[in-house]
Amino acid sequence: DSGVTQTPKHLITATGQRVTLRCSPRSGDLSVYWYQQSLDQGLQFLIQYYNGEERAKGNILERFSAQQFPDLHSELNLSSLELGDSALYFCASSRSGRLSTDTQYFGPGTRLTVL
Amino acid sequence: AQKITQTQPGMFVQEKEAVTLDCTYDTSDPSYGLFWYKQPSSGEMIFLIYQGSYDQQNATEGRYSLNFQKARKSANLVISASQLGDSAMYFCAMREGRDNYGQNFVFGPGTRLSVLP
Repeated sequence: DSGVTQTPKHLITATGQRVTLRCSPRSGDLSVYWYQQSLDQGLQFLIQYYNGEERAKGNILERFSAQQFPDLHSELNLSSLELGDSALYFCASSRSGRLSTDTQYFGPGTRLTVL
Repeated sequence: AQKITQTQPGMFVQEKEAVTLDCTYDTSDPSYGLFWYKQPSSGEMIFLIYQGSYDQQNATEGRYSLNFQKARKSANLVISASQLGDSAMYFCAMREGRDNYGQNFVFGPGTRLSVLP
């Protein structure tokens, strides 16, 4: 158990819908990352927050947004869902968020299926 | 150019044998960290081992060790005494720089390891 929690574990929804994925980082970690893992694209970095502020953006679509709250939990919002958004979404957390020594610990993931 | 290369899409190993999973990386930054993660069929990503670019010794964590050859830019994972539970996908990852953010944490394509009884 990494100490990172994600809910829900599974999510099945229809095209055009909107969903929210939730993540709680490990105790003491200030940085949260979101990743998308699909079969054809591998593990893709989406976005990073550090202590409530956005710090880095990767291949995140405009239909997707995220935030980190004062209690450090984070939410990833996916809207106008398409079939291609079906994937495993991971949240990870780390202490500082910016050092090369900073290890990311991953949550169990949320498997999103868009029908 | 690919930052992380894992040339073995799939590997087989006999139970109780040792196995080496290859990883080469590309960076011009003198400061970087190398990480290995395991992803079993259940889907979670499990952190295994870390090696810093300035570390003088190869990292070890239980049955996992990292064969770090800086000049060759390789960071191979060695699993000793393989167990059936080691069957999983293994990802090599790198984070560059002393002071940067998440977009610089890159993963390789992974190697699928199957341990045979």
